[in-house]
Amino acid sequence: QSGLTQPPSVSAAPGQKVTISCSGSSSNIGLNYVSWYQHVPGTAPKLLIFDKNHRPSGIPDRFSASKSGASATLVITGLQTGDEADYYCGTWDSSLSAGVFGTGTKVTVV
Amino acid sequence: QVELVQSGAEVKKPGASVKISCKSSGYSFTSYYIHWVRQAAGQGLEWMAMIDPTGVATTSAQKFQGRVTMTSDTSTATVYMDLSSLRSDDAAIYYCTREGYSSTLDYWGQGTLVTVSS
Repeated sequence: QSGLTQPPSVSAAPGQKVTISCSGSSSNIGLNYVSWYQHVPGTAPKLLIFDKNHRPSGIPDRFSASKSGASATLVITGLQTGDEADYYCGTWDSSLSAGVFGTGTKVTVV
Repeated sequence: QVELVQSGAEVKKPGASVKISCKSSGYSFTSYYIHWVRQAAGQGLEWMAMIDPTGVATTSAQKFQGRVTMTSDTSTATVYMDLSSLRSDDAAIYYCTREGYSSTLDYWGQGTLVTVSS
């Protein structure tokens, strides 16, 4: 099953900005909305961003996302120690008729 | 409030089957698909399958086809996922999750740890 490609890790100091890329194809990101999830190991993943750039209630506007063609990007500004987690992009692959996730990116606040 | 509550941890031998339940509350059960996602130790999230809780349709990733069976009990708002012929690499935390607006996975169960060991 094909997946989406993300950088393994990103890091930045508190208050800074990190950008996480998510690369897919015309059958997944190119056709469908991308969601972003925050996952702290041992807990359930949490939805951060859905649709074009919508946040569920309670998610701060420090989290934003965009999409261009077959790629998507998550941006976290004003980085906080509580943001340390694994981040995944996810969408539907219309050719596979299956869900697909990114490979995951570990965010570290240094 | 929306809640998905999964059954407890399981220990199974290779070749056996495991059946995990996911009980929904706080919303109209038959109006939202339920997906199953797993995470093996040190690995990323892996999409497995989804079910229309009315029981009309199910879809699974190619690698699980023939091994995964999902059922739904509308009387108890519970979805079940049965994974057969377990192998050591099936050891993982299994999550059920609700498909909401724009096909996003908006609510997640707490996860069920499945250990596969002889």
